[in-house]
Parts: sequence; C-alpha cells; structure tokens
Amino acid sequence: NAGVMQNPRHLVRRRGQEARLRCSPMKGHSHVYWYRQLPEEGLKFMVYLQKENIIDESGMPKERFSAEFPKEGPSILRIQQVVRGDSAAYFCASSPRIDGPHNEQFFGPGTRLTVL
Amino acid sequence: KQEVTQIPAALSVPEGENLVLNCSFTDSAIYNLQWFRQDPGKGLTSLLLIQSSQREQTSGRLNASLDKSSGRSTLYIAASQPGDSATYLCAVRPGGANSKLTFGKGITLSVRP
Repeated sequence: NAGVMQNPRHLVRRRGQEARLRCSPMKGHSHVYWYRQLPEEGLKFMVYLQKENIIDESGMPKERFSAEFPKEGPSILRIQQVVRGDSAAYFCASSPRIDGPHNEQFFGPGTRLTVL
Repeated sequence: KQEVTQIPAALSVPEGENLVLNCSFTDSAIYNLQWFRQDPGKGLTSLLLIQSSQREQTSGRLNASLDKSSGRSTLYIAASQPGDSATYLCAVRPGGANSKLTFGKGITLSVRP
C-alpha cells in the first residue's frame, strides 16, 4: 500500500508565475489536509478537503491560494502569482475518516517550493 | 486558540543516554496527540498516537505519555542512538469534528557517537 504521494518534490518558480502542487492520498483515504512549513517555523494548517468538498479552509491565505480534491485524480494546491514569501515546504496528509480519536494523519514527503 | 510549545528547540546528547522530549499545549480539550519525526529535507513519519482517553503508548524504544489535565506530553527515548538524530514534532488534534492538527515547532535532537 503506497503512502501519500506528492509531486513534484521540488518546484522552482519565478515571481508572478503559478505553482500547482499535487497530492495523492493513501489508498482508501478520502480526507486530505494541506500544511505549510515556512523556514524556521512550525507546520501550519492550510486546508482540509474531502472528495469534491472543502471542509475547512481557515488556514488558507485569502488571495492567490486555492485547493481542490476532485472526484477523480489527486488533490491540487494552486498558488497564483507566486511571491518570494511563498517559498516553503508544502505537506499533504491523508486519513481514512474524521471520526475516532485513534485516527492518524499520514504525511507525504512534501513539495519544496522556491520562488526566485 | 490552541498553542503547542516544545522546549528546548535543540538538544545534543551522547549515544546511549535515555532522554525525554517535552510538549505542552494550552487547550486540554484534545482528541488525540501525535509525535512525529522529521529528517532534514524529508517528510513526517508518525511515531506514536495517543488518544485522549489514554495515558501512554509504547513502540520499541519510544514511550509517549499524555497528561491532558496539565496540558503536557512527553516522548521518552531509551538508549539513544546516532540514528535517532532528527527533529521531533508534537501535534494535537482538537475535539469534535475539527480535525486539523496544531504543531509545535519541534525539538532538533543530535545524538553524538
């Protein structure tokens, strides 16, 4: 059973370009979470999605950032018109369901975005 | 608002030492607490999950405890090895339907041969 897959692992963009980060959850998992790790800071929650639904986007910046998890295919985190401050590691996690205190979130290897 | 603190930020110990990593959180109404390991430039590996009703969990040389009332958790590593060198992150999940994790900034551990 493959783990959470993220691609690309490294992404370089120039200011003003768009960045698209992809996440495939573990097999059988229908819940996806995106977190961002800025240099010298802890991981911060961005958004929580289920298939075709955004459940909690309280951590998403108001502008330029969007996320989706379509019925088919991976979850996508999209950053438009990137700025240097967007440079960070973006991690995706998945879980099989939200109920139950025994549920773990399993993390992918992350995408390291560098904005030049 | 939940806040998670891990102090100190870095720790260096000689090989073979038993050590304790601390984690504190401000809101005791949690669903569970997870300890993760992160190697430089890598993703997160889940080490242990403690449910809110549990006091501790063990896996090999690792033992994690939880004291909800005081807002504390500890990760105990027995007989530390150089391969244990990594950053250890503590994360709490609040109760109810809210499932986002709140992380501490981590403790960077270096085990000297």
